Amino acid sequence: DVKVTQSSRYLVKRTGEKVFLECVQDMDHENMFWYRQDPGLGLRLIYFSYDVKMKEKGDIPEGYSVSREKKERFSLILESTSTNQTSMYLCASSANIRTGGFDQPQHFGDGTRLSIL
Amino acid sequence: SQQGEEDPQALSIQEGENATMNCSYKTSINNLQWYRQNSGRGLVHLILIRSNEREKHSGRLRVTLDTSKKSSSLLITASRAADTASYFCATGQGAQKLVFGQGTRLTINP
Repeated sequence: DVKVTQSSRYLVKRTGEKVFLECVQDMDHENMFWYRQDPGLGLRLIYFSYDVKMKEKGDIPEGYSVSREKKERFSLILESTSTNQTSMYLCASSANIRTGGFDQPQHFGDGTRLSIL
Repeated sequence: SQQGEEDPQALSIQEGENATMNCSYKTSINNLQWYRQNSGRGLVHLILIRSNEREKHSGRLRVTLDTSKKSSSLLITASRAADTASYFCATGQGAQKLVFGQGTRLTINP
């Protein structure tokens, strides 16, 4: 089974702090994704990556950056946190369409609930 | 942008009854997927249906897809307390990205 591991389940930070959220997958997937989930808004895509050192903006990239130095690891960086970044952050991975076809499910970690005070 | 819209937003039924959730979308897709999320956890993939398929089964789950109406339904038969969760549809539109709806919160009462 695919395992996607997020480094923390819960984090509490103060406004203005720099935060790193780490995600590791063990299935050699090319694609990795970061979402945030808020009540009434569903899942919104922040950034995704098709390959090492590649990144693409999602729907709400403002205030975030990402890093993908190794295939199995995708980090989400909040450079200077604000209270409106309090949310549940979910990481996911999937196989590439070149190797697995268009119909690839995404595999999710258990999420990091981040609170910014 | 959120494309899939689930209906109803919340559903409460008795254990043993069937639960039906619907999803509508706006643009053409190459597949539609359903996911489950238990409280405080990540999403778990349930079933995928391709745009050229009309119906798919997996255990107690039955998914239909009507591309002419741009809609899909998820039926859970003989519901159990463990089925209590939020259910999301997600549309694949030709690339690796999925667009998720806001989900249906399903409660199974014992």
